[in-house]
Amino acid sequence: GDSVTQTEGLVTLTEGLPVMLNCTYQTIYSNPFLFWYVQHLNESPRLLLKSFTDNKRTEHQGFHATLHKSSSSFHLQKSSAQLSDSALYYCALSDRHMGYKLTFGTGTSLLVDP
Amino acid sequence: GGIITQTPKFLIGQEGQKLTLKCQQNFNHDTMYWYRQDSGKGLRLIYYSITENDLQKGDLSEGYDASREKKSSFSLTVTSAQKNEMAVFLCASSTGGNTEVFFGKGTRLTVV
Repeated sequence: GDSVTQTEGLVTLTEGLPVMLNCTYQTIYSNPFLFWYVQHLNESPRLLLKSFTDNKRTEHQGFHATLHKSSSSFHLQKSSAQLSDSALYYCALSDRHMGYKLTFGTGTSLLVDP
Repeated sequence: GGIITQTPKFLIGQEGQKLTLKCQQNFNHDTMYWYRQDSGKGLRLIYYSITENDLQKGDLSEGYDASREKKSSFSLTVTSAQKNEMAVFLCASSTGGNTEVFFGKGTRLTVV
């Protein structure tokens, strides 16, 4: 079945430095939808951004990601980390052929230090 | 906007006990989900329902039952609670397809 692999565990970086959280996926279908969800402490996960278009950059709230079907990747990036970006980030995959079942990765915790 | 209400917020059960978690949404969404959240293991899908009266197993359905009583409500039953089941259970909903999924605040299960 479908699967998602993310940068494992905890990523710690200093405020102002760039952010890159890795996400790769596996699916036998050719038109997957990829998502990034963010979960702040004591909150529920919420959608950060999504894409289904190959090689097109999608942006939201300073974050951006580009779906690359050739490498099955959808990495999350931001040019300059802020303290408020500290959260748990999930990459997720969905596909029409799988009944739109939303499959999540194991999550990456981002901690931004001052 | 809308809201997803999960009850109870905290649930303490004994090993072997049957436990039920409830979820209500007022988005008028067709699709509802139950996920289990464990630290380091991400969000794992237990059951989902594409529409009222539909029920689909996720990757973690063994040991659980679910029921979509009506469009707005989706309940999850732990058939026999085990100590390794301590986790946060998240209910979610969406309009279906590849649209945004909205999550409730979760039920934290502790098994003693």
